[in-house]
Amino acid sequence: GNSVTQMEGPVTLSEEAFLTINCTYTATGYPSLFWYVQYPGEGLQLLLKATKADDKGSNKGFEATYRKETTSFHLEKGSVQVSDSAVYFCALGVNTGGFKTIFGAGTRLFVKA
Amino acid sequence: ETGVTQTPRHLVMGMTNKKSLKCEQHLGHNAMYWYKQSAKKPLELMFVYSLEERVENNSVPSRFSPECPNSSHLFLHLHTLQPEDSALYLCASSHPTGQGIVDTQYFGPGTRLTVL
Repeated sequence: GNSVTQMEGPVTLSEEAFLTINCTYTATGYPSLFWYVQYPGEGLQLLLKATKADDKGSNKGFEATYRKETTSFHLEKGSVQVSDSAVYFCALGVNTGGFKTIFGAGTRLFVKA
Repeated sequence: ETGVTQTPRHLVMGMTNKKSLKCEQHLGHNAMYWYKQSAKKPLELMFVYSLEERVENNSVPSRFSPECPNSSHLFLHLHTLQPEDSALYLCASSHPTGQGIVDTQYFGPGTRLTVL
Protein backbone atom coordinates (compact mmCIF):
# COMPACT_ATOMS: atom_id res chain seq x y z
CA GLY A 1 0.00 0.00 0.00
CA ASN A 2 0.84 3.67 0.09
CA SER A 3 2.17 5.22 3.28
CA VAL A 4 4.44 7.90 4.69
CA THR A 5 6.65 7.66 7.77
CA GLN A 6 8.32 10.70 9.23
CA MET A 7 10.40 11.21 12.32
CA GLU A 8 8.56 11.84 15.55
CA GLY A 9 8.90 15.15 17.24
CA PRO A 10 9.13 17.46 18.81
CA VAL A 11 12.43 18.63 17.44
CA THR A 12 13.98 21.50 19.40
CA LEU A 13 16.83 23.50 17.89
CA SER A 14 18.63 26.73 18.57
CA GLU A 15 18.48 29.51 16.00
CA GLU A 16 20.94 29.02 13.10
CA ALA A 17 21.19 25.26 13.71
CA PHE A 18 20.96 22.75 10.86
CA LEU A 19 17.63 21.00 10.43
CA THR A 20 16.87 17.54 9.07
CA ILE A 21 13.44 15.93 9.26
CA ASN A 22 13.43 12.41 7.87
CA CYS A 23 10.66 11.11 5.66
CA THR A 24 10.37 7.73 3.95
CA TYR A 25 7.54 6.38 1.89
CA THR A 26 6.07 3.27 0.32
CA ALA A 27 4.11 3.65 -2.87
CA THR A 28 2.87 1.87 -5.92
CA GLY A 29 3.51 3.62 -9.17
CA TYR A 30 5.19 7.01 -9.43
CA PRO A 31 4.09 9.33 -6.65
CA SER A 32 4.61 13.04 -6.21
CA LEU A 33 6.18 14.07 -2.91
CA PHE A 34 5.41 17.13 -0.84
CA TRP A 35 6.35 18.92 2.34
CA TYR A 36 3.59 20.99 3.90
CA VAL A 37 3.97 23.32 6.89
CA GLN A 38 1.35 24.31 9.46
CA TYR A 39 1.94 27.44 11.53
CA PRO A 40 -0.01 27.90 14.77
CA GLY A 41 -3.68 28.65 14.19
CA GLU A 42 -3.47 28.08 10.45
CA GLY A 43 -4.14 25.38 7.88
CA LEU A 44 -1.44 23.53 6.04
CA GLN A 45 0.43 25.23 3.22
CA LEU A 46 2.76 23.82 0.62
CA LEU A 47 6.43 24.29 1.44
CA LEU A 48 7.97 22.42 -1.51
CA LYS A 49 7.35 19.50 -3.82
CA ALA A 50 9.00 17.11 -6.28
CA THR A 51 7.22 15.16 -8.95
CA LYS A 52 9.86 12.67 -10.16
CA ALA A 53 12.97 10.87 -9.00
CA ASP A 54 16.07 13.03 -8.38
CA ASP A 55 14.04 16.24 -8.44
CA LYS A 56 14.95 18.72 -5.72
CA GLY A 57 12.24 20.92 -4.27
CA SER A 58 13.28 24.13 -2.54
CA ASN A 59 11.63 27.12 -0.91
CA LYS A 60 12.50 29.63 1.83
CA GLY A 61 15.87 27.95 2.42
CA PHE A 62 14.33 24.48 2.79
CA GLU A 63 15.28 21.67 0.42
CA ALA A 64 14.30 18.05 -0.17
CA THR A 65 15.41 15.60 -2.85
CA TYR A 66 13.21 12.81 -4.22
CA ARG A 67 15.32 9.67 -3.71
CA LYS A 68 13.71 6.69 -5.36
CA GLU A 69 16.51 4.26 -4.43
CA THR A 70 16.03 4.94 -0.71
CA THR A 71 12.34 5.90 -0.97
CA SER A 72 13.07 9.05 0.97
CA PHE A 73 12.31 12.77 0.85
CA HIS A 74 14.17 14.26 3.81
CA LEU A 75 13.65 17.95 4.60
CA GLU A 76 16.73 20.07 5.30
CA LYS A 77 17.53 23.67 6.12
CA GLY A 78 20.98 25.01 6.77
CA SER A 79 20.11 27.66 9.35
CA VAL A 80 16.72 27.71 11.08
CA GLN A 81 15.01 30.78 12.45
CA VAL A 82 12.52 31.21 15.28
CA SER A 83 9.87 31.90 12.64
CA ASP A 84 10.35 28.35 11.29
CA SER A 85 8.69 26.95 14.41
CA ALA A 86 5.73 24.97 13.07
CA VAL A 87 4.53 21.46 12.30
CA TYR A 88 5.96 19.89 9.13
CA PHE A 89 4.11 17.21 7.18
CA CYS A 90 5.61 14.94 4.57
CA ALA A 91 3.03 13.82 2.00
CA LEU A 92 2.68 11.45 -0.90
CA GLY A 93 0.44 12.08 -3.87
CA VAL A 94 -0.83 9.07 -5.79
CA ASN A 95 -3.17 8.68 -8.69
CA THR A 96 -5.16 5.55 -7.95
CA GLY A 97 -8.03 6.34 -10.21
CA GLY A 98 -8.64 9.37 -8.04
CA PHE A 99 -6.13 11.91 -6.82
CA LYS A 100 -5.18 11.20 -3.24
CA THR A 101 -2.64 12.79 -0.90
CA ILE A 102 -1.43 10.72 2.05
CA PHE A 103 0.08 12.67 4.92
CA GLY A 104 2.62 11.68 7.50
CA ALA A 105 1.90 12.23 11.18
CA GLY A 106 3.71 15.56 11.27
CA THR A 107 6.86 16.70 13.09
CA ARG A 108 6.69 19.67 15.42
CA LEU A 109 9.71 21.96 15.30
CA PHE A 110 10.58 24.43 18.04
CA VAL A 111 13.35 26.92 17.36
CA LYS A 112 14.79 28.81 20.36
CA ALA A 113 16.33 32.26 20.10
CA GLU B 1 -10.98 37.52 -0.75
CA THR B 2 -8.50 34.98 -2.01
CA GLY B 3 -7.55 31.39 -1.25
CA VAL B 4 -9.66 29.03 0.81
CA THR B 5 -11.88 30.36 3.58
CA GLN B 6 -13.71 28.46 6.28
CA THR B 7 -16.48 29.53 8.62
CA PRO B 8 -16.93 29.48 11.49
CA ARG B 9 -13.38 29.40 12.83
CA HIS B 10 -14.56 28.04 16.18
CA LEU B 11 -17.68 26.06 17.03
CA VAL B 12 -18.93 24.60 20.29
CA MET B 13 -21.93 22.33 20.08
CA GLY B 14 -23.86 19.87 22.17
CA MET B 15 -24.32 16.28 21.17
CA THR B 16 -27.91 16.88 20.08
CA ASN B 17 -27.26 20.00 17.99
CA LYS B 18 -27.18 20.30 14.22
CA LYS B 19 -24.63 22.63 12.71
CA SER B 20 -22.83 23.13 9.40
CA LEU B 21 -19.28 24.01 8.46
CA LYS B 22 -18.72 26.05 5.32
CA CYS B 23 -15.77 26.17 2.98
CA GLU B 24 -15.30 28.45 0.00
CA GLN B 25 -12.45 28.50 -2.48
CA HIS B 26 -11.60 31.42 -4.74
CA LEU B 27 -8.92 29.64 -6.76
CA GLY B 28 -10.95 28.18 -9.61
CA HIS B 29 -10.19 24.63 -8.51
CA ASN B 30 -12.43 21.69 -9.32
CA ALA B 31 -11.64 19.33 -6.44
CA MET B 32 -12.43 19.92 -2.76
CA TYR B 33 -11.66 17.92 0.36
CA TRP B 34 -12.58 17.60 4.03
CA TYR B 35 -9.93 16.48 6.51
CA LYS B 36 -10.09 15.84 10.24
CA GLN B 37 -7.04 16.79 12.32
CA SER B 38 -6.98 15.40 15.84
CA ALA B 39 -4.24 15.77 18.40
CA LYS B 40 -1.51 13.15 18.06
CA LYS B 41 -3.16 11.48 15.05
CA PRO B 42 -2.31 11.75 11.36
CA LEU B 43 -4.45 13.94 9.15
CA GLU B 44 -7.53 11.93 8.16
CA LEU B 45 -9.09 12.37 4.75
CA MET B 46 -12.88 12.33 5.12
CA PHE B 47 -14.42 13.24 1.76
CA VAL B 48 -13.30 14.19 -1.72
CA TYR B 49 -15.39 15.98 -4.33
CA SER B 50 -14.33 16.33 -7.94
CA LEU B 51 -16.48 18.45 -10.26
CA GLU B 52 -19.15 18.44 -7.54
CA GLU B 53 -19.35 14.64 -7.48
CA ARG B 54 -18.30 12.79 -4.35
CA VAL B 55 -15.44 10.52 -5.36
CA GLU B 56 -14.24 9.34 -1.98
CA ASN B 57 -15.83 8.65 1.38
CA ASN B 58 -13.35 7.19 3.81
CA SER B 59 -15.69 5.20 6.07
CA VAL B 60 -16.90 8.36 7.77
CA PRO B 61 -19.85 7.97 10.18
CA SER B 62 -23.20 9.11 8.83
CA ARG B 63 -23.41 11.86 11.47
CA PHE B 64 -21.10 13.75 9.07
CA SER B 65 -22.85 14.67 5.83
CA PRO B 66 -21.01 16.58 3.08
CA GLU B 67 -22.57 18.75 0.42
CA CYS B 68 -20.97 20.34 -2.63
CA PRO B 69 -23.49 22.56 -4.42
CA ASN B 70 -20.90 23.95 -6.86
CA SER B 71 -17.17 23.80 -7.42
CA SER B 72 -16.51 26.79 -5.15
CA HIS B 73 -18.44 25.72 -2.04
CA LEU B 74 -18.28 22.74 0.26
CA PHE B 75 -20.29 22.11 3.40
CA LEU B 76 -20.05 19.60 6.20
CA HIS B 77 -23.34 19.07 8.00
CA LEU B 78 -23.05 17.80 11.55
CA HIS B 79 -25.67 16.13 13.73
CA THR B 80 -25.66 14.08 16.92
CA LEU B 81 -21.89 14.25 17.21
CA GLN B 82 -19.83 12.60 19.92
CA PRO B 83 -17.15 14.22 22.12
CA GLU B 84 -14.48 12.23 20.23
CA ASP B 85 -15.45 14.18 17.10
CA SER B 86 -13.86 17.27 18.63
CA ALA B 87 -11.03 18.23 16.29
CA LEU B 88 -9.82 20.76 13.73
CA TYR B 89 -11.70 20.29 10.46
CA LEU B 90 -9.75 21.41 7.44
CA CYS B 91 -11.03 22.08 3.97
CA ALA B 92 -8.74 21.98 0.95
CA SER B 93 -8.98 22.40 -2.79
CA SER B 94 -6.84 21.45 -5.75
CA HIS B 95 -6.84 21.43 -9.49
CA PRO B 96 -5.79 18.00 -10.77
CA THR B 97 -3.59 18.34 -13.82
CA GLY B 98 -5.12 15.37 -15.61
CA GLN B 99 -1.62 14.15 -16.38
CA GLY B 100 -1.46 11.58 -13.61
CA ILE B 101 0.36 13.97 -11.27
CA VAL B 102 -1.24 14.80 -7.93
CA ASP B 103 -1.21 18.55 -7.58
CA THR B 104 -0.78 20.80 -4.58
CA GLN B 105 -3.63 21.12 -2.11
CA TYR B 106 -4.57 24.52 -0.77
CA PHE B 107 -5.93 24.50 2.75
CA GLY B 108 -8.24 26.77 4.66
CA PRO B 109 -7.46 27.79 8.26
CA GLY B 110 -9.83 25.19 9.67
CA THR B 111 -12.79 25.12 12.04
CA ARG B 112 -11.95 24.17 15.62
CA LEU B 113 -14.91 22.03 16.73
CA THR B 114 -15.65 21.17 20.34
CA VAL B 115 -18.46 18.73 21.12
CA LEU B 116 -19.70 18.85 24.67
